[in-house]
This record gives sequence, structure tokens and C-alpha cells, in this order.
Amino acid sequence: EVQLLESGGGLVQSGGSLRLSCAASGFTFRSYAMGWVRQAPGKGLEWVSGISGGGSSTNYADYADSVKGRFTISRDNFKNTLYLQMDSLRAEDTAVYYCVSVYYHNSGYSLFDYWGQGTLVTVSS
Amino acid sequence: SYVLTQPPSVSVAPGQTAKITCGGNNFGSKSIHWYQQKPGQAPLLVVYADSDRPSGIPERFSGSNSGNTATLTISRVEAGDEADYYCQVWDNSNDHAFYVFGTGTKVTVL
Repeated sequence: EVQLLESGGGLVQSGGSLRLSCAASGFTFRSYAMGWVRQAPGKGLEWVSGISGGGSSTNYADYADSVKGRFTISRDNFKNTLYLQMDSLRAEDTAVYYCVSVYYHNSGYSLFDYWGQGTLVTVSS
Repeated sequence: SYVLTQPPSVSVAPGQTAKITCGGNNFGSKSIHWYQQKPGQAPLLVVYADSDRPSGIPERFSGSNSGNTATLTISRVEAGDEADYYCQVWDNSNDHAFYVFGTGTKVTVL
């Protein structure tokens, strides 16, 4: 059974930093692209970042414009763990952050097939 | 960038059919996926690639995509279908991959 367990959320002041972790199990973690999706209180879903899989020593990352230059995604395939380093946090970063596994199809589409339960990040201004 | 517009809310009586639309500019040949999110829970994929269902999702859930509008149809609606629904598309043009979610639709079962 696929499990994604996020941790590291909490209350932080504006301008501060936080690192989220996502422990993965039940699948071959290194083979899969992974990502983060967030949801502000009472709002919709927003893709934050993604990182390639495949076991290569070089991982490719993408970011939403809203977090580019402030957030860094990384992974440790030995620990089966995904990370999101969040710096220069703003009040608008307040949200539940979901860890997701990413599925790519060779016909040219991609989606999020498994989701963690999320971890809440609150940025106080 | 993409903007995926959904109606804020849809109300439907039990046993009836709910249709949720997702309108976008320049869908082209892009595939649309749909997620269901119940209160306090993580989203769940219910339809992918316009009209396919993951294993375990009831046949009552179906999808279509024509022109610039995709539609999620829930037939024989049950009380347990009450949730928020989001469409999603992926774009990897210009060497920059990004994902866009629709604005979300709250389905209320009367």
C-alpha cells in the first residue's frame, strides 16, 4: 500500500524558514517523480513544485512562479524521503501542504496519483 | 498561462445526475483529470485522461472533453458524493513543466 507521510509543518514568522519532509513507502520511491501541492484555508489547490525520479544522480525540479527563488525541492532516495525547504516565507504561503506522487503517461499527460494527508504551515505576519 | 474555470457550486438531488464543467483557453489536445476532495481529506483522483477511471472508482463517475470544455458527470448521485471537485491539466511547453488546477466546484447533495 502506498503511503506518503508529511511532517515539519507548524507556525513560523514572516520571513522565516521551514523544511517539510515526506516519508514514502509501498512503492519504488526512486523511480517516481514527486511533488508538493498546497491548499490555503478555504481555497483551491495550487501546485507548488515537482522533482524528477528515475534514480539518476541529477534531478530536475520545477516550481510555481509564486515560490520560485524561495522554495527548494529535493529528495533522498536512500531514505525514501522528499523535502521542501521553504525560505522567506510570506503570509500567503499559509496552507496545507500535500506530498504527491507524480504519474507521467507517454501520450503526454501527467497527474498526481497518490496524496499524503498534508501538513499545515502557518505564516504569521 | 492556463486558467481553468469551474462553476463554484452544483446542487443535485440523490439519484439524479450532476455535471461539472471545466472551461479553459486552448485546451488543444491536453488531457484533463478530476479529483474529489471531501472535507478534511486529501484529494482523490476519480477520472484521468478525460474519461478513464482509476481502479476502485465507481462507474457512476465519467468524464468527457470536447473543444475547450471538459465535463465530469456523476450519475445516480449519492450522499457520499458530496465534496469539492477539481479539474487539472499539465503543460510542459517552453521547457517548463507546470500543473494547473481548476477553481473547484462544491457539489451539494440535496
